[in-house]
Amino acid sequence: AQTVTQSQPEMSVQEAETVTLSCTYDTSESDYYLFWYKQPPSRQMILVIRQEAYKQQNATENRFSVNFQKAAKSFSLKISDSQLGDAAMYFCAYKNGRDDKIIFGKGTRLHILP
Amino acid sequence: ETGVTQSPTHLIKTRGQQVTLRCSSQSGHNTVSWYQQALGQGPQFIFQYYREEENGRGNFPPRFSGLQFPNYSSELNVNALELDDSALYLCASSFTGLGGYTFGSGTRLTVV
Repeated sequence: AQTVTQSQPEMSVQEAETVTLSCTYDTSESDYYLFWYKQPPSRQMILVIRQEAYKQQNATENRFSVNFQKAAKSFSLKISDSQLGDAAMYFCAYKNGRDDKIIFGKGTRLHILP
Repeated sequence: ETGVTQSPTHLIKTRGQQVTLRCSSQSGHNTVSWYQQALGQGPQFIFQYYREEENGRGNFPPRFSGLQFPNYSSELNVNALELDDSALYLCASSFTGLGGYTFGSGTRLTVV
């Protein structure tokens, strides 16, 4: 079975600093996608960044980047220059290449300290 | 381009009742998925609809059912509500094969 594990229920970071959120996953599939979603108090899931498993290059979106370690099945999210608006729940998620079902981790609540 | 719209935003029901939640998919999207997010947890996949038929289901009992309409909007129906059904229900739409998902803001269901 495919699983996603986030071992940090909560994290805090000072504004303008850098923080890394951890995620590990388990799968026997070779074709899959990994995501980080942000869920602010408005409840809507917002896609932060996406990584295709076949791509060796780590995805980057402005201040957000990932460290994708395929052999270790690790997919961490780095947020640089943290801003107050980054405060939210962050979910790591997995989807295999055969269907559209997304498997989410339990989330990490990120606090930004002014 | 409109996003995903869910209604109602909040709902309180009594145990044993039935509920219908609605979702309007994003323009151009033909697939709708439903997720249940219990408090403090990540979303759990309920099922997905494509071309008006169920196209994949998670570990949820048959009292969770759905519909997709020709305009790709969707309904989630839950019969015989239980206290544990209290959760945020999220709808996500996508265009099959492209892998981009747009989520709505969810319906908060409370069963008392």
